[in-house]
Amino acid sequence: GQSLEQPSEVTAVEGAIVQINCTYQTSGFYGLSWYQQHDGGAPTFLSYNALDGLEETGRFSSFLSRSDSYGYLLLQELQMKDSASYFCAESNDYKLSFGAGTTVTVRA
Amino acid sequence: DAGVTQSPTHLIKTRGQHVTLRCSPISGHKSVSWYQQVLGQGPQFIFQYYEKEERGRGNFPDRFSARQFPNYSSELNVNALLLGDSALYLCASSLQGAQGYTFGSGTRLTVV
Repeated sequence: GQSLEQPSEVTAVEGAIVQINCTYQTSGFYGLSWYQQHDGGAPTFLSYNALDGLEETGRFSSFLSRSDSYGYLLLQELQMKDSASYFCAESNDYKLSFGAGTTVTVRA
Repeated sequence: DAGVTQSPTHLIKTRGQHVTLRCSPISGHKSVSWYQQVLGQGPQFIFQYYEKEERGRGNFPDRFSARQFPNYSSELNVNALLLGDSALYLCASSLQGAQGYTFGSGTRLTVV
């Protein structure tokens, strides 16, 4: 089973800010990644945190706290095209272990 | 630059049949991984190959097998198909294996 917990759905309006939380329970943890997937498409890499703290990439930021086994993805200035599924994934030496995903719906 | 390419894009098979899925990694990437994504779930790790050697295997039955060729392309084989094998099969490539995965658009397998 998946050892990462993230909310199943989030709805917000254009221009808003959304935070998707992810908690994990594992050993051999290298870092936390975030992927975006539009319906039927390829998962696309968004961000990776190996160390505690905030990583900012344009409108998207990701945060990791190893002591709390917790991370989040922050989506700012939401656009309609941001409607998609977002997955947190923990990395070890050779694989990604994904959460079940959060469906983000952006309303006009 | 070509990304990760997978073939076929869609496939319908009957229970008990065998299927072979193919993946070509990004040029220069030596690592290929396979994931199964059931509708409404996150991708589940099946295999990783690096330099033609299996580096890791997920919790899948022996009906699932894979290999990597000298040009780093890869095949995933599934024998004795079950209805529950219906899923999106994703291939991902990376330079070395641990980070920076690029996924293909997948093969949608339907078992009837």
